[in-house]
Amino acid sequence: ETGVTQSPTHLIKTRGQQVTLRCSSQSGHNTVSWYQQALGQGPQFIFQYYREEENGRGNFPPRFSGLQFPNYSSELNVNALELDDSALYLCASSSGSGSYEQYFGPGTRLTVT
Amino acid sequence: AQSVTQLDSQVPVFEEAPVELRCNYSSSVSVYLFWYVQYPNQGLQLLLKYLSGSTLVESINGFEAEFNKSQTSFHLRKPSVHISDTAEYFCAVGGSNYKLTFGKGTLLTVNP
Repeated sequence: ETGVTQSPTHLIKTRGQQVTLRCSSQSGHNTVSWYQQALGQGPQFIFQYYREEENGRGNFPPRFSGLQFPNYSSELNVNALELDDSALYLCASSSGSGSYEQYFGPGTRLTVT
Repeated sequence: AQSVTQLDSQVPVFEEAPVELRCNYSSSVSVYLFWYVQYPNQGLQLLLKYLSGSTLVESINGFEAEFNKSQTSFHLRKPSVHISDTAEYFCAVGGSNYKLTFGKGTLLTVNP
């Protein structure tokens, strides 16, 4: 059984640029959630995708957007990067549209300069 | 709305001592409760969960947590810690509204 994988591991971008982060869900899971974890903080929910549709969203602006593909992998896109977007971005997969059990990937560390 | 409060940001203990990491939650609906562990420069690993049934839940590496509805708590305990337990621990609450709400974390440092 393959776990959740994310790419890239690290990324450095300049303010104003755009970035795409990728996530492959665990085998058998059809739901992907994205979280932002700032330094010294707990993860904050960005949004969730279930069967290729956005299933819920946290308090993040529209410049944070996502996609889920037929194989249930997912992308997180962030436009017009700001310094405060620097964080660890975590992807979690689960089975079904609830949040009963979510399994996390290793994360992508984004640094915005 | 849901919220989680982890009462201690840092807990230093000596090896083989007992430890308790405290977590209180607030929710207006039925909850599911989780503890996750994060080792340096890694993602989150699910340590244990309460979904329903017995209020005492255990993990495979000796941690346990007890769901206390009247006190809205889900404290994590281990009777004897090891150096390898040094990590950040996050309490989270989830429900049918699809998202997990996390506390700010407790850094457990086990000293020799």
